[in-house]
Amino acid sequence: EVRLLESGGALVHPGGSLRLSCATSGFTFNDFAMYWVRQAPGRGLDWVSAMSGGAGTTYYAESVSGRFTIYRDIPKNTLYLQMSSVRDEDTATYYCAKGASFATGIIDSWGLGTLVTVS
Amino acid sequence: DIQMTQSPSSLAASVGDRVTITCRASQGFGHYVAWFQQRPGKAPKSLIYGTSSLQSGVPSRFSGSRSGTEFTLTISSLQPEDFATYYCQQYHSFPLTFGQGTRLEVK
Repeated sequence: EVRLLESGGALVHPGGSLRLSCATSGFTFNDFAMYWVRQAPGRGLDWVSAMSGGAGTTYYAESVSGRFTIYRDIPKNTLYLQMSSVRDEDTATYYCAKGASFATGIIDSWGLGTLVTVS
Repeated sequence: DIQMTQSPSSLAASVGDRVTITCRASQGFGHYVAWFQQRPGKAPKSLIYGTSSLQSGVPSRFSGSRSGTEFTLTISSLQPEDFATYYCQQYHSFPLTFGQGTRLEVK
Protein backbone atom coordinates (compact mmCIF):
# COMPACT_ATOMS: atom_id res chain seq x y z
CA GLU A 1 0.00 0.00 0.00
CA VAL A 2 1.30 3.42 -0.97
CA ARG A 3 1.78 5.74 1.99
CA LEU A 4 2.76 9.40 1.89
CA LEU A 5 3.18 11.24 5.19
CA GLU A 6 3.98 14.93 5.21
CA SER A 7 5.51 16.74 8.16
CA GLY A 8 7.25 19.99 8.94
CA GLY A 9 4.37 22.41 8.63
CA ALA A 10 4.50 25.25 11.14
CA LEU A 11 3.94 28.94 11.81
CA VAL A 12 6.74 30.91 10.16
CA HIS A 13 7.39 34.63 9.87
CA PRO A 14 7.47 36.34 6.48
CA GLY A 15 10.94 36.07 5.03
CA GLY A 16 11.66 32.95 7.02
CA SER A 17 12.46 29.38 5.98
CA LEU A 18 10.90 26.00 6.50
CA ARG A 19 11.50 22.45 5.29
CA LEU A 20 8.66 20.10 4.57
CA SER A 21 9.19 16.35 4.43
CA CYS A 22 7.21 13.57 2.81
CA ALA A 23 8.06 10.09 4.05
CA THR A 24 7.01 7.42 1.57
CA SER A 25 6.52 3.68 1.60
CA GLY A 26 4.88 0.96 -0.43
CA PHE A 27 6.60 1.68 -3.75
CA THR A 28 10.08 2.03 -5.27
CA PHE A 29 10.62 5.72 -4.51
CA ASN A 30 13.19 6.47 -7.22
CA ASP A 31 11.00 5.01 -9.96
CA PHE A 32 8.17 7.54 -9.71
CA ALA A 33 7.66 11.24 -10.20
CA MET A 34 6.72 13.17 -7.08
CA TYR A 35 4.84 16.42 -6.57
CA TRP A 36 4.03 19.16 -4.10
CA VAL A 37 0.57 20.72 -4.43
CA ARG A 38 -0.81 23.33 -2.03
CA GLN A 39 -4.21 24.62 -1.05
CA ALA A 40 -4.70 27.99 0.61
CA PRO A 41 -7.52 28.10 3.18
CA GLY A 42 -10.87 27.94 1.41
CA ARG A 43 -9.22 27.93 -2.01
CA GLY A 44 -8.50 25.47 -4.80
CA LEU A 45 -5.53 23.26 -5.61
CA ASP A 46 -2.31 24.94 -6.74
CA TRP A 47 0.65 23.02 -8.15
CA VAL A 48 3.99 23.99 -6.55
CA SER A 49 6.77 21.69 -7.75
CA ALA A 50 7.55 18.33 -9.31
CA MET A 51 10.47 15.96 -9.60
CA SER A 52 10.73 13.18 -12.14
CA GLY A 53 11.72 9.69 -11.18
CA GLY A 54 15.12 8.44 -12.23
CA ALA A 55 17.23 11.48 -13.09
CA GLY A 56 15.19 13.71 -10.78
CA THR A 57 14.52 16.60 -13.13
CA THR A 58 12.80 19.40 -11.24
CA TYR A 59 10.01 21.82 -12.13
CA TYR A 60 8.57 24.82 -10.27
CA ALA A 61 5.60 27.11 -10.40
CA GLU A 62 6.64 30.64 -11.25
CA SER A 63 5.31 31.86 -7.89
CA VAL A 64 7.86 29.79 -5.97
CA SER A 65 10.75 29.55 -8.44
CA GLY A 66 13.98 30.76 -6.85
CA ARG A 67 12.50 30.51 -3.33
CA PHE A 68 11.53 26.84 -2.99
CA THR A 69 13.64 23.76 -3.72
CA ILE A 70 12.38 20.23 -4.19
CA TYR A 71 14.80 17.41 -3.49
CA ARG A 72 14.83 13.83 -2.31
CA ASP A 73 16.80 11.40 -0.18
CA ILE A 74 16.50 8.09 -2.01
CA PRO A 75 17.87 5.83 0.77
CA LYS A 76 15.36 7.41 3.15
CA ASN A 77 12.49 7.27 0.60
CA THR A 78 11.74 10.87 1.51
CA LEU A 79 10.80 13.91 -0.55
CA TYR A 80 11.48 17.43 0.70
CA LEU A 81 10.41 20.95 -0.06
CA GLN A 82 12.80 23.61 1.22
CA MET A 83 10.90 26.88 1.50
CA SER A 84 12.81 30.16 1.77
CA SER A 85 11.81 33.82 1.75
CA VAL A 86 8.25 32.79 2.52
CA ARG A 87 5.39 35.19 1.94
CA ASP A 88 1.90 35.57 3.34
CA GLU A 89 0.53 34.02 0.16
CA ASP A 90 2.46 30.81 0.83
CA THR A 91 0.05 30.04 3.68
CA ALA A 92 -1.57 26.75 2.71
CA THR A 93 -1.87 23.07 3.34
CA TYR A 94 0.93 21.40 1.38
CA TYR A 95 0.23 17.98 -0.10
CA CYS A 96 2.82 15.50 -1.29
CA ALA A 97 1.65 13.42 -4.22
CA LYS A 98 2.98 10.45 -6.15
CA GLY A 99 3.07 10.09 -9.90
CA ALA A 100 1.90 7.06 -11.81
CA SER A 101 5.27 6.64 -13.54
CA PHE A 102 8.80 8.04 -13.58
CA ALA A 103 7.72 10.72 -16.05
CA THR A 104 5.95 13.75 -14.69
CA GLY A 105 2.26 13.77 -15.48
CA ILE A 106 -0.36 11.65 -13.82
CA ILE A 107 -0.85 11.90 -10.05
CA ASP A 108 -2.26 8.72 -8.49
CA SER A 109 -1.81 9.09 -4.72
CA TRP A 110 -1.90 11.90 -2.18
CA GLY A 111 -0.68 12.44 1.35
CA LEU A 112 -2.79 13.95 4.12
CA GLY A 113 -1.08 17.32 3.97
CA THR A 114 0.80 19.59 6.35
CA LEU A 115 -0.22 23.15 7.21
CA VAL A 116 2.13 26.07 6.70
CA THR A 117 1.08 29.42 8.14
CA VAL A 118 3.07 32.53 7.27
CA SER A 119 2.36 35.34 9.70
CA ASP B 1 0.21 28.67 -19.37
CA ILE B 2 -2.84 26.51 -20.05
CA GLN B 3 -5.92 27.77 -18.22
CA MET B 4 -8.60 25.30 -17.15
CA THR B 5 -12.01 26.96 -16.77
CA GLN B 6 -14.29 24.76 -14.73
CA SER B 7 -18.06 25.03 -14.48
CA PRO B 8 -20.28 25.23 -12.62
CA SER B 9 -18.59 26.48 -9.48
CA SER B 10 -21.31 24.80 -7.42
CA LEU B 11 -24.06 22.35 -8.11
CA ALA B 12 -26.94 21.05 -5.99
CA ALA B 13 -28.19 17.54 -6.70
CA SER B 14 -29.89 14.57 -5.11
CA VAL B 15 -28.86 10.97 -4.54
CA GLY B 16 -29.49 9.06 -7.75
CA ASP B 17 -29.08 12.10 -10.02
CA ARG B 18 -26.78 12.17 -13.03
CA VAL B 19 -24.40 15.12 -12.86
CA THR B 20 -21.91 16.61 -15.27
CA ILE B 21 -18.99 18.92 -14.56
CA THR B 22 -17.08 20.62 -17.36
CA CYS B 23 -13.58 22.01 -17.86
CA ARG B 24 -12.61 24.03 -20.88
CA ALA B 25 -8.92 24.30 -21.72
CA SER B 26 -7.49 27.55 -23.09
CA GLN B 27 -5.72 25.62 -25.84
CA GLY B 28 -5.84 22.19 -27.41
CA PHE B 29 -3.51 19.47 -26.14
CA GLY B 30 -5.14 16.10 -26.50
CA HIS B 31 -6.21 13.89 -23.63
CA TYR B 32 -3.90 14.94 -20.76
CA VAL B 33 -6.58 15.72 -18.21
CA ALA B 34 -7.16 14.29 -14.76
CA TRP B 35 -10.02 14.65 -12.28
CA PHE B 36 -9.79 14.71 -8.49
CA GLN B 37 -12.34 14.50 -5.68
CA GLN B 38 -11.88 16.27 -2.36
CA ARG B 39 -14.21 15.68 0.53
CA PRO B 40 -14.42 18.42 3.21
CA GLY B 41 -11.35 18.48 5.42
CA LYS B 42 -9.71 15.64 3.50
CA ALA B 43 -6.90 15.23 1.01
CA PRO B 44 -7.68 15.05 -2.69
CA LYS B 45 -8.30 11.65 -4.27
CA SER B 46 -7.37 10.79 -7.83
CA LEU B 47 -10.36 9.67 -9.91
CA ILE B 48 -9.55 9.81 -13.62
CA TYR B 49 -6.49 10.28 -15.83
CA GLY B 50 -6.01 10.50 -19.56
CA THR B 51 -9.47 12.11 -19.86
CA SER B 52 -11.39 8.85 -19.35
CA SER B 53 -9.32 6.17 -17.57
CA LEU B 54 -10.40 5.36 -14.03
CA GLN B 55 -7.81 5.15 -11.28
CA SER B 56 -7.73 1.82 -9.47
CA GLY B 57 -10.68 1.34 -7.14
CA VAL B 58 -12.80 4.18 -8.52
CA PRO B 59 -16.44 3.16 -9.03
CA SER B 60 -17.70 2.81 -12.58
CA ARG B 61 -20.39 5.45 -12.04
CA PHE B 62 -17.59 7.96 -12.65
CA SER B 63 -16.65 8.59 -16.26
CA GLY B 64 -14.78 11.18 -18.30
CA SER B 65 -14.94 12.38 -21.86
CA ARG B 66 -13.63 15.05 -24.22
CA SER B 67 -14.97 17.11 -27.06
CA GLY B 68 -12.30 19.34 -28.52
CA THR B 69 -10.96 21.44 -25.65
CA GLU B 70 -13.93 20.66 -23.37
CA PHE B 71 -13.49 17.90 -20.82
CA THR B 72 -16.37 16.41 -18.85
CA LEU B 73 -16.69 14.43 -15.63
CA THR B 74 -19.98 12.55 -15.29
CA ILE B 75 -21.34 10.79 -12.25
CA SER B 76 -24.10 8.54 -13.50
CA SER B 77 -26.01 8.00 -10.25
CA LEU B 78 -24.96 10.09 -7.28
CA GLN B 79 -24.22 8.29 -4.04
CA PRO B 80 -24.10 9.97 -0.61
CA GLU B 81 -20.30 9.75 -0.52
CA ASP B 82 -19.99 11.65 -3.81
CA PHE B 83 -20.92 15.03 -2.34
CA ALA B 84 -17.55 16.75 -2.46
CA THR B 85 -15.53 19.23 -4.48
CA TYR B 86 -14.17 18.13 -7.85
CA TYR B 87 -11.15 19.52 -9.70
CA CYS B 88 -9.88 19.02 -13.22
CA GLN B 89 -6.18 19.32 -14.01
CA GLN B 90 -4.11 19.39 -17.17
CA TYR B 91 -0.76 17.65 -17.25
CA HIS B 92 0.14 18.29 -20.87
CA SER B 93 2.72 20.89 -19.92
CA PHE B 94 4.22 22.81 -17.02
CA PRO B 95 3.00 24.63 -15.08
CA LEU B 96 0.44 21.99 -14.17
CA THR B 97 -2.88 23.79 -13.76
CA PHE B 98 -6.13 22.99 -12.03
CA GLY B 99 -9.66 24.15 -12.59
CA GLN B 100 -11.23 26.33 -9.90
CA GLY B 101 -13.28 23.45 -8.52
CA THR B 102 -16.94 22.44 -8.47
CA ARG B 103 -18.66 22.03 -5.12
CA LEU B 104 -21.31 19.31 -5.36
CA GLU B 105 -23.92 19.80 -2.65
CA VAL B 106 -27.05 18.07 -1.49
CA LYS B 107 -30.23 19.57 -2.89
